[in-house]
Amino acid sequence: KAGVTQTPRYLIKTRGQQVTLSCSPISGHRSVSWYQQTPGQGLQFLFEYFSETQRNKGNFPGRFSGRQFSNSRSEMNVSTLELGDSALYLCASSFDRWGNEQFFGPGTRLTVL
Amino acid sequence: AQKITQTQPGMFVQEKEAVTLDCTYDTSDQSYGLFWYKQPSSGEMIFLIYQGSYDEQNATEGRYSLNFQKARKSANLVISASQLGDSAMYFCAMRAGTGNQFYFGTGTSLTVIP
Repeated sequence: KAGVTQTPRYLIKTRGQQVTLSCSPISGHRSVSWYQQTPGQGLQFLFEYFSETQRNKGNFPGRFSGRQFSNSRSEMNVSTLELGDSALYLCASSFDRWGNEQFFGPGTRLTVL
Repeated sequence: AQKITQTQPGMFVQEKEAVTLDCTYDTSDQSYGLFWYKQPSSGEMIFLIYQGSYDEQNATEGRYSLNFQKARKSANLVISASQLGDSAMYFCAMRAGTGNQFYFGTGTSLTVIP
């Protein structure tokens, strides 16, 4: 069974641009969560999608948005990029919202110049 | 409010020795889950072990065991017979709250010395 895949793995953008990151969960998993990881703030929860609906949202500005498609694949979008958005963005999938495990993808390393 | 605390930023252990990584949590929920993840330098988070709040026995997975002390709200990870490949960041996490989302600690960097 293939694991969680994230594309692209690395991304370099400049301030003010926007970016879209993609996540394909493990086959059969319907819940996808996104996290931002930085050295200063650690792992911070962005949002969770289940059955194409956002179920949970962390404390991030509206520039951060996401969506989930009918095949459970998810995208997150960051508009008007700021230097502080440079981070490792991790996607995790689980079978449902109440499962015991989340399986993480390799992450997308975003650098904002 | 939900919170996970890991007070050890860095730990060193001799190869083949056992090591305990500390984790305390705070939640008013009766039902919650506790997790440990390993993050090597490659960046990918690897699930290690899970403990449910109603589980009476401590969870074990191979060389990993979770020392669950509910009254003290602690969920320490014990790694037995450390190996060089165990060098990584270790994160304690809790799934709780109305949204049933995950909350992560700040992590402990473990270095195994040959």
